[in-house]
Amino acid sequence: ILNVEQSPQSLHVQEGDSTNFTCSFPSSNFYALHWYRWETAKSPEALFVMTLNGDEKKKGRISATLNTKEGYSYLYIKGSQPEDSATYLCAFSRSGTASKLTFGTGTRLQVTL
Amino acid sequence: NAGVTQTPKFQVLKTGQSMTLQCAQDMNHNSMYWYRQDPGMGLRLIYYSASEGTTDKGEVPNGYNVSRLNKREFSLRLESAAPSQTSVYFCASSDRGSGANVLTFGAGSRLTVL
Repeated sequence: ILNVEQSPQSLHVQEGDSTNFTCSFPSSNFYALHWYRWETAKSPEALFVMTLNGDEKKKGRISATLNTKEGYSYLYIKGSQPEDSATYLCAFSRSGTASKLTFGTGTRLQVTL
Repeated sequence: NAGVTQTPKFQVLKTGQSMTLQCAQDMNHNSMYWYRQDPGMGLRLIYYSASEGTTDKGEVPNGYNVSRLNKREFSLRLESAAPSQTSVYFCASSDRGSGANVLTFGAGSRLTVL
């Protein structure tokens, strides 16, 4: 069983704060690392997929980095807004079973005014 | 542009009853998945189908069966429901052609077993 860990479990920030979360995963036989955004009462939606060590992805105020050698990824949110409030999930897959994603338990972010 | 459609959205069962959750996608995706979501546990993979005609167990397959009926449809069956199967179930699909299997999720099915 793959062990994907996310920290912190939850986070409460004020509007305008920048924040970051961590996802750690087994570094052997790495294939891909995904980040998903999951708003309450909706379905998870993909943010980023990264496959190469050193990958950096950006979408607006949200960005992510990947270190496959040490087995971690960071998700950054710059200037948090209330609409960023959601649970952020990371998921990992291994080569040989690339279609099988294992999810972490997520980081729940709440942004208040 | 429906994406992934799963039915029913809500269901209440008694212990021992059976039911099937239906899932269909219209994106011509090769792979399909069933996950369950429980508080504090995140999304756990029940079964997946990497391509039409194949199915594989995930982390928590016990008590479930699946059928990949065709490329579009992937159903999840509970033969004899138990209270431990009370959960929110998500179907998802992905495009292997994208190289990294980005998942598109359905809206979820909330199942309560009494």
